[in-house]
Amino acid sequence: EDKVVQSPLSLVVHEGDTVTLNCSYEVTNFRSLLWYKQEKKAPTFLFMLTSSGIEKKSGRLSSILDKKELFSILNITATQTGDSAVYLCAVSNTDKLIFGTGTRLQVFP
Amino acid sequence: DTGVSQNPRHKITKRGQNVTFRCDPISEHNRLYWYRQTLGQGPEFLTYFQNEAQLEKSRLLSDRFSAERPKGSFSTLEIQRTEQGDSAMYLCASSPLRSRGIHNEQFFGPGTRLTVL
Repeated sequence: EDKVVQSPLSLVVHEGDTVTLNCSYEVTNFRSLLWYKQEKKAPTFLFMLTSSGIEKKSGRLSSILDKKELFSILNITATQTGDSAVYLCAVSNTDKLIFGTGTRLQVFP
Repeated sequence: DTGVSQNPRHKITKRGQNVTFRCDPISEHNRLYWYRQTLGQGPEFLTYFQNEAQLEKSRLLSDRFSAERPKGSFSTLEIQRTEQGDSAMYLCASSPLRSRGIHNEQFFGPGTRLTVL
């Protein structure tokens, strides 16, 4: 059965810390891996990764995919309280997205 | 605002009642998806449309659930004879279809939160 596993489930840090969120997957017909940020509303798109080893970067956030080892990481540097959210990893299999349970990040001042 | 919109945002109903939700995708997005999300879990795929054709349905979508996209634009999701287990956030997403074999990111609406009493 296809599955996406995220770790850790929860993370509490102070502002300025750097965090690494993990996502591993076992999915047939892999097409891409996506990261979303979810606050108390709908998930908002962060990155889509399709190729191994190519880092995607947006401000303090970056992500990379390893298709051989079947995992991805999301890095957030110099965290801010506004980064507090659930970060969802999803893998595209044919046309639908298969989501992990998310990592809940709390950033305290 | 040209994002995905969903109505209503909240719905409280009694067990056994029927409910219908609406989703308006981003203009010109060919694909429209429905997901369900319960507390502490990631969204789970329910069904998706390419234009007006419903191409895939999850086994989570029981006979009480039906989705339509009659003109290839907005979509409705109806739940008949609601049960307490149907309480969840129902999310709609849309994506463009650029070319065969290339997956595109899905953009989510704000969701409809259903509470079945």
